Amino acid sequence: AQSVTQLGSHVSVSEGALVLLRCNYSSSVPPYLFWYVQYPNQGLQLLLKYTTGATLVKGINGFEAEFKKSETSFHLTKPSAHMSDAAEYFCAVSGYGQNFVFGPGTRLSVLP
Amino acid sequence: DSGVTQTPKHLITATGQRVTLRCSPRSGDLSVYWYQQSLDQGLQFLIQYYNGEERAKGNILERFSAQQFPDLHSELNLSSLELGDSALYFCASSPSGGLGPYEQYFGPGTRLTVT
Repeated sequence: AQSVTQLGSHVSVSEGALVLLRCNYSSSVPPYLFWYVQYPNQGLQLLLKYTTGATLVKGINGFEAEFKKSETSFHLTKPSAHMSDAAEYFCAVSGYGQNFVFGPGTRLSVLP
Repeated sequence: DSGVTQTPKHLITATGQRVTLRCSPRSGDLSVYWYQQSLDQGLQFLIQYYNGEERAKGNILERFSAQQFPDLHSELNLSSLELGDSALYFCASSPSGGLGPYEQYFGPGTRLTVT
């Protein structure tokens, strides 16, 4: 069985500050890991994904995430927050033959 | 634009009624997933279809049912509606049924309001 936890249902950062959104997973098979973003009243949009290979994955809008197997983590970072980054972020895990499982989400607020 | 379409965009109906939500997956995608998103429950997986067959079931109420047609579009039927069914309903599609590292592509959602 697979599961995802996201530490912090709400994170606030100042504009220009580092964004760090935490994701830890549990998986019985080698995981595929995803980050999605949801802007108000819109569907989820893929930010980035890890399947195999390089553990540091770059996505859209300047975001990146690092897969750390020993820590079962896939934290999302962005060096400098922008007002337009305010949204809900979801981490998800799947694997070969496994269902997709989403985390509970983290709401990111960016303060001017 | 993800390529996944959902209709209608908004739906307002009364308690006890029945509604049908429609989803067309991206061209070539065989899997369709349905999710419910509400403020208190977050994003809840309801059900998955793969090439016309039910593949996985999540927290779907017995009052809800879904199907996937030969042209791969899917419908989610919600009956005996209650106030608590008011939510955003998302459809997502994927090329595979879980046998590969494929992401899900989400539609814009249908906002259901039960009065």
